[in-house]
Amino acid sequence: EPEVTQTPSHQVTQMGQEVILRCVPISNHLYFYWYRQILGQKVEFLVSFYNNEISEKSEIFDDQFSVERPDGSNFTLKIRSTKLEDSAMYFCASSEQGGQPQHFGDGTRLSIL
Amino acid sequence: QQPVQSPQAVILREGEDAVINCSSSKALYSVHWYRQKHGEAPVFLMILLKGGEQKGHDKISASFNEKKQQSSLYLTASQLSYSGTYFCGTSYTGNQFYFGTGTSLTVIP
Repeated sequence: EPEVTQTPSHQVTQMGQEVILRCVPISNHLYFYWYRQILGQKVEFLVSFYNNEISEKSEIFDDQFSVERPDGSNFTLKIRSTKLEDSAMYFCASSEQGGQPQHFGDGTRLSIL
Repeated sequence: QQPVQSPQAVILREGEDAVINCSSSKALYSVHWYRQKHGEAPVFLMILLKGGEQKGHDKISASFNEKKQQSSLYLTASQLSYSGTYFCGTSYTGNQFYFGTGTSLTVIP
């Protein structure tokens, strides 16, 4: 069964550095999403992406964050000048259409030191 | 705009039933249900789109009320494998997605 893949599984970075989290959505899916889950808390929506542009973003997704689809398969989340509070699990998801079931990757655990 | 779930946590013995509720102050475009086991990604269970809809598979089913402001997830004859955190997920426009506050379900032998 097709699946969403994320790399790396764990990323450790010094505060203030930039990180790029990578995702390969399911190939026939058109909508892509990034979520954040701080340890022990609920899953929080960051951004949705369709047709090579952001379709919606939450208040969490400020100028520190950006997303890109650099080629036909990858979907990346860049976090500039990381802060301690950015430490969390980041999930990528994709769906065939907006509002349809979302398939999640296994996540990237980001640890900021 | 985040939907509210109740209860926050529930402990069941194998074979018992549970109901998890998800409520919103305004009508929803759709409601999704996901289960997340500790340390894993959320896994899609089902989606409801229409007011008054009910659907399910095996012993897990869900309903969506007529006004599309409340959904309930029903787990019957619970099994150990049902343990996890259940999230409803909702959309008001079809794009931005809000997960509910989550319900921790623990099934014990």
